[in-house]
Amino acid sequence: GENVEQHPSTLSVQEGDSAVIKCTYSDSASNYFPWYKQELGKRPQLIIDIRSNVGEKKDQRIAVTLNKTAKHFSLHITETQPEDSAVYFCAAEPYGQNFVFGPGTRLSVLP
Amino acid sequence: EAQVTQNPRYLITVTGKKLTVTCSQNMNHEYMSWYRQDPGLGLRQIYYSMNVEVTDKGDVPEGYKVSRKEKRNFPLILESPSPNQTSLYFCASTFGGGAWDEQFFGPGTRLTVL
Repeated sequence: GENVEQHPSTLSVQEGDSAVIKCTYSDSASNYFPWYKQELGKRPQLIIDIRSNVGEKKDQRIAVTLNKTAKHFSLHITETQPEDSAVYFCAAEPYGQNFVFGPGTRLSVLP
Repeated sequence: EAQVTQNPRYLITVTGKKLTVTCSQNMNHEYMSWYRQDPGLGLRQIYYSMNVEVTDKGDVPEGYKVSRKEKRNFPLILESPSPNQTSLYFCASTFGGGAWDEQFFGPGTRLTVL
């Protein structure tokens, strides 16, 4: 079955710097890759997603890149702010509604 | 207000005592899922449903049952809970149709099995 790895597990950046989180997946059938943000004590919320027919997608300070050949995708956050501090999860969908999540990255934005 | 609700939010129980965690969505979503979240393991899918009376196993279905008799409800049943099922559980729903895959999560249910 699908296996999603995520690195790093923790990441600390200075406010205003960029943060990059990387994920790899194993199943070439996966064609949808969402990223979720989970603040402390809250539910996960979608922040950006990408489909396999697209290489890059951007939404303001957040971007996601996908390399299907290498089976990896990355989340890029620019100009980080304290409110970006949270746990971020990547996921892959090998087939309809079967989602496999990575273990998460705890991002801390230091003032 | 469009939302996914779960009940109860917190539950402490003992080994072997059957329990049900309810999940309901008011967005007319086709798809619903259950996840458990454990430290260092992320979210792991237990079961999902793509329509009424259509359910399928996720990655960690052992020890759980689900049913989807109505579109809006997707209860999670633990027939004989064990301590290794102590976890934070999330229900989620998705619009469906292939166009929108965003999952909307419920607030979570923290279960402790003694």
